[in-house]
Amino acid sequence: QVQLVQSGAEVKKSGASVKVSCKASGYTFTTYVIHWVRQAPGQRLEWMGWINTGYGNTKYSQKFQGRVTISRDTSASTVYMELSSLRSEDTAVYYCTRDRGTFDYWGQGTLVTVSS
Amino acid sequence: SYVLTQPPSVSVAPGKTARITCGGNDIGSKSVHWYQQKPGQAPVVVIYLDRDRPSGIPERFSGSNSGNTATLTISRVEDGDEADYYCQVWDSSGDRVFGGGTKLTVL
Repeated sequence: QVQLVQSGAEVKKSGASVKVSCKASGYTFTTYVIHWVRQAPGQRLEWMGWINTGYGNTKYSQKFQGRVTISRDTSASTVYMELSSLRSEDTAVYYCTRDRGTFDYWGQGTLVTVSS
Repeated sequence: SYVLTQPPSVSVAPGKTARITCGGNDIGSKSVHWYQQKPGQAPVVVIYLDRDRPSGIPERFSGSNSGNTATLTISRVEDGDEADYYCQVWDSSGDRVFGGGTKLTVL
């Protein structure tokens, strides 16, 4: 069965970086694009960007351009999302999700807490 | 950037019909997806490409999209349908956009 399993919760200081992983299983990894979506406490879902797991090309939301890097390791069927220059407003649950025309499978979410 | 507008909350009695709207400029020309999110859980797609239902989603969930409004309709509402619902589209640059979410309360 298809699964996206994310890395565990993180606590970071303002100005630091965080790297969250998303390991895919149950399908051919390079077939589908993976997106990252975040959700601050009590807030809406917010799209951050995607990676074509086959070619490795990426597209980012303008809001995060310059601060976010999405990468993948095809040998490990894993996608990574790194967010730099963290600030308190980046405290959120970060999700990876598979794009099969719609977001059909989601990771369990990773809580990133940014403290000053 | 493209903006999707949802009512913050909708309330409905059990067994009745809930309609959740998603407004956007000429949204009828885009494909709309709807996600259900329960507290502490990841979202789940309940309607994709305006009106298609994934396997496992009850027939009580349906969708429509025309003009400037897309609608998620939940018939014969049950207690278990209480959740936040989000609409989502691609904008003209290929970015994904979510609505602000609607909290469905079952009275």
